[in-house]
Amino acid sequence: DGGITQSPKYLFRKEGQNVTLSCEQNLNHDAMYWYRQDPGQGLRLIYYSQIVNDFQKGDIAEGYSVSREKKESFPLTVTSAQKNPTAFYLCASSVQGYEQYFGPGTRLTVT
Amino acid sequence: AQRVTQPEKLLSVFKGAPVELKCNYSYSGSPELFWYVQYSRQRLQLLLRHISRESIKGFTADLNKGETSFHLKKPFAQEEDSAMYYCALSGGGTSYGKLTFGQGTILTVHP
Repeated sequence: DGGITQSPKYLFRKEGQNVTLSCEQNLNHDAMYWYRQDPGQGLRLIYYSQIVNDFQKGDIAEGYSVSREKKESFPLTVTSAQKNPTAFYLCASSVQGYEQYFGPGTRLTVT
Repeated sequence: AQRVTQPEKLLSVFKGAPVELKCNYSYSGSPELFWYVQYSRQRLQLLLRHISRESIKGFTADLNKGETSFHLKKPFAQEEDSAMYYCALSGGGTSYGKLTFGQGTILTVHP
């Protein structure tokens, strides 16, 4: 199941703190994506990156930030500005236009 | 704007019965449609894409541009088909490769 990894599996934070979720892939994929999965709402795209040093906002980017300094890595920061950060976060990668491969996810709980 | 609708949150059938998971989309151009599946304790993974016209694990899906639908069908459901199913759409242009997901349908196949 290797290829794309996310860490940690579970993350707990206090309200008001920023937190960074890790996503790494060794598939040599150019494109990487971050989704948020909430019950009854499916997957919603937060940010995506089609190439190193470039990224675009998805449908729900407010309160999140990303960087893409290396092809293999696409970390997501959940800032204190995100009003409802508790969720399951999924990272994916793909060759542009082809199948997206998903990581195992990180469940973030903010109290 | 692109949109995917899966009208059923939950779908229950008995083993051996036919199953159809509905998916409707709205998109002004020529979309590419996918079905992704998430089995219990496993990663989200691609089940099939309309362009390949394959049958995977007995499932098929036909793109109906007139009705803007991409329903997933299987003539005889098995217990191991129980999972969360997502329909997804990829558009063209600057959004190429970016997926829009439906809300998901939880399929339960009873023995």
